[in-house]
Amino acid sequence: DAKTTQPTSMDCAEGRAANLPCNHSTISGNEYVYWYRQIHSQGPQYIIHGLKNNETNEMASLIITEDRKSSTLILPHATLRDTAVYYCIVRARFGNEKLTFGTGTRLTIIP
Amino acid sequence: AAGVIQSPRHLIKEKRETATLKCYPIPRHDTVYWYQQGPGQDPQFLISFYEKMQSDKGSIPDRFSAQQFSDYHSELNMSSLELGDSALYFCASSLVPKDTQYFGPGTRLTVL
Repeated sequence: DAKTTQPTSMDCAEGRAANLPCNHSTISGNEYVYWYRQIHSQGPQYIIHGLKNNETNEMASLIITEDRKSSTLILPHATLRDTAVYYCIVRARFGNEKLTFGTGTRLTIIP
Repeated sequence: AAGVIQSPRHLIKEKRETATLKCYPIPRHDTVYWYQQGPGQDPQFLISFYEKMQSDKGSIPDRFSAQQFSDYHSELNMSSLELGDSALYFCASSLVPKDTQYFGPGTRLTVL
């Protein structure tokens, strides 16, 4: 699986949009971008995933650049409960099934 | 919606003892994955099963073994426990092997 690069930490004011970047410059054509988050030792929570089109669900939006070398996870109206470590993971559509977690971004929502 | 169930949630063992962790996947999910997360570390893949057969293997010690049963639940057996085995152990399940993985709440294993 391709490696990802994320900022170590970010702060965001409560009520504002949180934009979390991820670089995956070596991603291949059949690899998805997945986002999970982990709130203080709880099980990782699935947020969203995409292949090349932008995606939106009830939790977040995922913007993938046209060259697919980077993406941004957007939490539209951050709350204190969104404080967590956010993992951007590239996962092959075919082949290895496991998730390879990097160091992630520690997002802190500030009141 | 039903989620992944793990038991026990907390487990305390002495060195050299054995431990068994159980995972009950989301109904209709036939694929189970195990991950280990040491203190201050990120989750690391251990092993996965699809239709009761091992489908992938990561950095799982030889002292650990796992299996998936006919009802798709899985058990992770850990023998000769060491202090370094103290960690959170997460189970995840997916509908089919390439589908999205959903995680359980984890089992916190403490080895004294």
